[in-house]
Amino acid sequence: DTAVSQTPKYLVTQMGNDKSIKCEQNLGHDTMYWYKQDSKKFLKIMFSYNNKELIINETVPNRFSPKSPDKAHLNLHINSLELGDSAVYFCASSQEMGTGLGLSEQYFGPGTRLTVT
Amino acid sequence: GENVEQHPSTLSVQEGDSAVIKCTYSDSASNYFPWYKQELGKGPQLIIDIRSNVGEKKDQRIAVTLNKTAKHFSLHITETQPEDSAVYFCAASIIGDMRFGAGTRLTVKP
Repeated sequence: DTAVSQTPKYLVTQMGNDKSIKCEQNLGHDTMYWYKQDSKKFLKIMFSYNNKELIINETVPNRFSPKSPDKAHLNLHINSLELGDSAVYFCASSQEMGTGLGLSEQYFGPGTRLTVT
Repeated sequence: GENVEQHPSTLSVQEGDSAVIKCTYSDSASNYFPWYKQELGKGPQLIIDIRSNVGEKKDQRIAVTLNKTAKHFSLHITETQPEDSAVYFCAASIIGDMRFGAGTRLTVKP
């Protein structure tokens, strides 16, 4: 029944490691997103992706890369993890066709709390 | 790019009172303004949204107003209940770019 799911829910790892977070949506949406929420609860978009284009927030380090094996999945790969990457990462999806990217309700996953030690 | 400011950062009200959260945005091209509620340990969930061709929208105890000239919009919650306690985020969006406010932690005291 879960609309947007993420795995794992918690991820603890050491600096320098490479890790991935998986996201799946069963809503049939055409667009998916990754957000980072820091300790002060500030939500910042990292990527917007549909089958036509990938929009990258210019402040996101290139150690972060989204990978979409199909329309229902958008995984987040992070290389050479740093302490500052510790945060909660949210995946979201929306149906943008006919409205435009970013102009429709977004459905968020439950989040993945990443802790880098 | 768009810049969204949200006030207050924390808000405490007595059950039954009203709560108002205000946001301003910088880009006059923004045309979609959603409000999200985030409960502890969960992802944000849309509670109401408004588009730039509408000045006000209401859904039961929740209402949003938009003043395009002044570039500000507000969330109004009436008859607050303890279950309204959460962090609320406003956002402003133009095509390809949605920016969130910093959030308001609302506490409703029984």
